[in-house]
Order: sequence, then C-alpha cells, then structure tokens
Amino acid sequence: SQTIHQWPATLVQPVGSPLSLECTVEGTSNPNLYWYRQAAGRGLQLLFYSVGIGQISSEVPQNLSASRPQDRQFILSSKKLLLSDSGFYLCAWSPQGDVRRNEQFFGPGTRLTVL
Amino acid sequence: QQPVQSPQAVILREGEDAVINCSSSKALYSVHWYRQKHGEAPVFLMILLKGGEQKGHEKISASFNEKKQQSSLYLTASQLSYSGTYFCGTVSGAGSYQLTFGKGTKLSVIP
Repeated sequence: SQTIHQWPATLVQPVGSPLSLECTVEGTSNPNLYWYRQAAGRGLQLLFYSVGIGQISSEVPQNLSASRPQDRQFILSSKKLLLSDSGFYLCAWSPQGDVRRNEQFFGPGTRLTVL
Repeated sequence: QQPVQSPQAVILREGEDAVINCSSSKALYSVHWYRQKHGEAPVFLMILLKGGEQKGHEKISASFNEKKQQSSLYLTASQLSYSGTYFCGTVSGAGSYQLTFGKGTKLSVIP
C-alpha cells in the first residue's frame, strides 16, 4: 500500500530564517506530487506541483521554492521566511496521469509558525 | 478561479441530512470532494466527472450539474463522525494539473 510522510510535524521559525520541508511517498512510482498551504480557517492553496523528477510548476509567485531530487521525494524551501508564510503545509500525491480523474492523497502536514 | 461553497457552516443533530454546494464560473471537467477533520489531512471522498462517471465511497452521494457548473454533496442520516470541513476541488480544461479548492464548509454534528 502507498504511504506519504512529511516532516517535521511542527516547526517554529524566526522571520528571515531558512526553511526546508520534506515529503516522501512509498509504494508507488512516478507519482504527481503537490505542495499546498492552508492558512488558519482557509481553504487549500496549491503552491507547487511536479509531474516528474526535476519538473516543478509554480502556481503562486512568492519566496518559496520546491524541488524534486528523486522520484518520490518533494522538498519545499525558503531562503528567508516571512510572517505570512505561517500555515499548515500539506504534501499530496496522485497517480501519474489525468489529474481530472485521480484522487489526491494527502500527507499528515507540517504546521509552521513564523515569529 | 476558486469555486464557491455554500453554506459556510452548518450544525446538524445526529440523523439529520445536509447538502453542501459547490459552484464555479468556469467550465468544469471534474469536481472532487474531500473531508478534513481538525488538525488532520484532507481525506478523499468522491470525484464526479463530466459525462456522469463517479469514483468514490459508496456511502457518499453527490451530483454534478455540468450545465450549471455546480456540484452538491448529500450527507444523509448524519453521524458524529461526519463532522469536519468539507472541501470541493474543481478541475477545468484539458491538460490541467491544478485542483482548485473552495474555502470549505464546516459541518458539526451534535448528539
């Protein structure tokens, strides 16, 4: 069966510090991978998606970046965090192929607080 | 463009029914429904595709009106476990990899 891991589970960082969140998927190959952010009481905002190694598409211009160094690894980074970066970060995967037809499976999330 | 969900919140007693709506101003290929419990990850409920195909949990009922670009999620004989925030996500256009989520509908089921 497929599983998705995210770490860390919670993180408190000062403004201006760097960030690295990691997501790994097990039990599947060539997944589509996604990073979402959820602000308190808000919906899910798609930040990045990837259909393959090294292929990253950004949906929202900001101070965040993403990388996919391996097939089942997705990393979210920032060089300098802003207060507005606080939120619940969710990684998700879906089977390779037509996103219109495939469900997304979400990881447990990382709760980031920037002070 | 973000789909619009209604109502924003609803409180039910166990056994009551509820309908959650999702509408879009764009032509849709599919509508996805997820439920998120507080502090947890969203969990897939159902996909409704253009043309009438559906994928999802047997106990979940939903509809997709392609002409109106609207979908409704029907929760019948609600249980305490139904509590959570329900999100619809929409996909429009060929070749799109983006699932655009609404702001969610918070459902609270009380004894």
